[in-house]
Amino acid sequence: ETGVTQSPTHLIKTRGQQVTLRCSSQSGHNTVSWYQQALGQGPQFIFQYYREEENGRGNFPPRFSGLQFPNYSSELNVNALELDDSALYLCASSADSYNEKLFFGSGTQLSVL
Amino acid sequence: QQQVKQSPQSLIVQKGGISIINCAYENTAFDYFPWYQQFPGKGPALLIAIRPDVSEKKEGRFTISFNKSAKQFSLHIMDSQPGDSATYFCAASRGSGYSTLTFGKGTMLLVSP
Repeated sequence: ETGVTQSPTHLIKTRGQQVTLRCSSQSGHNTVSWYQQALGQGPQFIFQYYREEENGRGNFPPRFSGLQFPNYSSELNVNALELDDSALYLCASSADSYNEKLFFGSGTQLSVL
Repeated sequence: QQQVKQSPQSLIVQKGGISIINCAYENTAFDYFPWYQQFPGKGPALLIAIRPDVSEKKEGRFTISFNKSAKQFSLHIMDSQPGDSATYFCAASRGSGYSTLTFGKGTMLLVSP
C-alpha cells in the first residue's frame, strides 16, 4: 500500500507567476483534499475533490484551482502568486468524501519572492 | 474567526512526565475531534480521534478527554518520551456532505531526556 506522495518537495516562484503542485493519493482512496499551512499555523482547508469533481471549498480566492484525474491523483494550481501564498501545501487523501480520516503527504514548500 | 483554539503554544516536559494539550471549539455542529502529530518536514499524521458520544478515549499512552458542555477537549500523553517531541494539532469537523478539518494553531512539544 503506497502512501500519499507530493511533488515537488520545494519550489521557488516570483510574485505574479503561476504554479502547479501534484499529489498522488493513497491506494484505494478516491477523495483528495488540499490544505495550506502557513509558518507556525495549523493547516487551512482549500478544497476537496471527489471522483474528479470539486466537492467543497474553503475561504480561498478563485485563483486557487484544482483538478482530479481518473486515477484519483490531483493537481493544485495557483495563479497570480502573491507573497502571502508562501506556505506548505498539503495534500490529503481519504477513502471517500464523508470519511474524516485524512492521510497527509509530506507537502510542497512554496516560497514566493 | 478562529473556531478551534489550542493551548499552550509550546510545552516542555521531562521524560516520563505527562504532556497535556488543550483545545476549545465554538461550533456545536462539530462531531469529530482528531489529534494530529507533525514532525519537521512531514505532513500531519492522525494520532487519535473522538466523537462527542464518549467522554474519553485511550490508545496506548495517548488519551483524549472530551467535555461536551464546556466545548473543550484535551490530549494527554502519558510517560512522555523524547520521540514524542513534535507539533500537535487538534482539529474538528462536522458532517456537511464532505469532510473538512478545522485545525488549531498547534503546540510544539519538547520532551527533554
